[in-house]
Amino acid sequence: SQQGEEDPQALSIQEGENATMNCSYKTSINNLQWYRQNSGRGLVHLILIRSNEREKHSGRLRVTLDTSKKSSSLLITASRAADTASYFCATDATSGTYKYIFGTGTRLKVLA
Amino acid sequence: DSGVTQTPKHLITATGQRVTLRCSPRSGDLSVYWYQQSLDQGLQFLIQYYNGEERAKGNILERFSAQQFPDLHSELNLSSLELGDSALYFCASSVWPSYNSPLHFGNGTRLTVT
Repeated sequence: SQQGEEDPQALSIQEGENATMNCSYKTSINNLQWYRQNSGRGLVHLILIRSNEREKHSGRLRVTLDTSKKSSSLLITASRAADTASYFCATDATSGTYKYIFGTGTRLKVLA
Repeated sequence: DSGVTQTPKHLITATGQRVTLRCSPRSGDLSVYWYQQSLDQGLQFLIQYYNGEERAKGNILERFSAQQFPDLHSELNLSSLELGDSALYFCASSVWPSYNSPLHFGNGTRLTVT
């Protein structure tokens, strides 16, 4: 089964609003990563947060990690139409195997 | 540009056939991953190689096989193709150890089985 599960499956917001998507996972991890995928294209790495970190920022992105709840959230502030994409979280399923497992993603649509 | 090259970009073939997908990892990356993405689905991990050796295996069908060559490029072989094998196949690469390194994805090979 999938290690990561994103929520919601789809999200539609107006330009300028914030978008929050969540990821839950099942086992202990070394790190959690977020990726963006524009339609039919390859995934682009956004941010990596290590298991001993609780929050990380990169530009308009803010990621939190709660290892006790096995969950992470990705916040995109002041969204733009160009942020329209699918967002995936990825975790290493078992420590040491480097086998990154992706969730089914959140489809974000930002309306201009 | 991620630096990961996948060829071909598109592939159309018939059921029962065999195809080979090729991946050249980013310069300096020793680890290669293969993923399958069916329509509107997440990515299914298939297999991972490091410096020529298989390191992790996912839900890869027995009809599928892969290898990583001494020059670090990798090939994914799909045989006895079925309609359900139609999907985007992605290759990604990373440095080793990769547990704190991001994956760099190619743009994928879109396989259509008719």
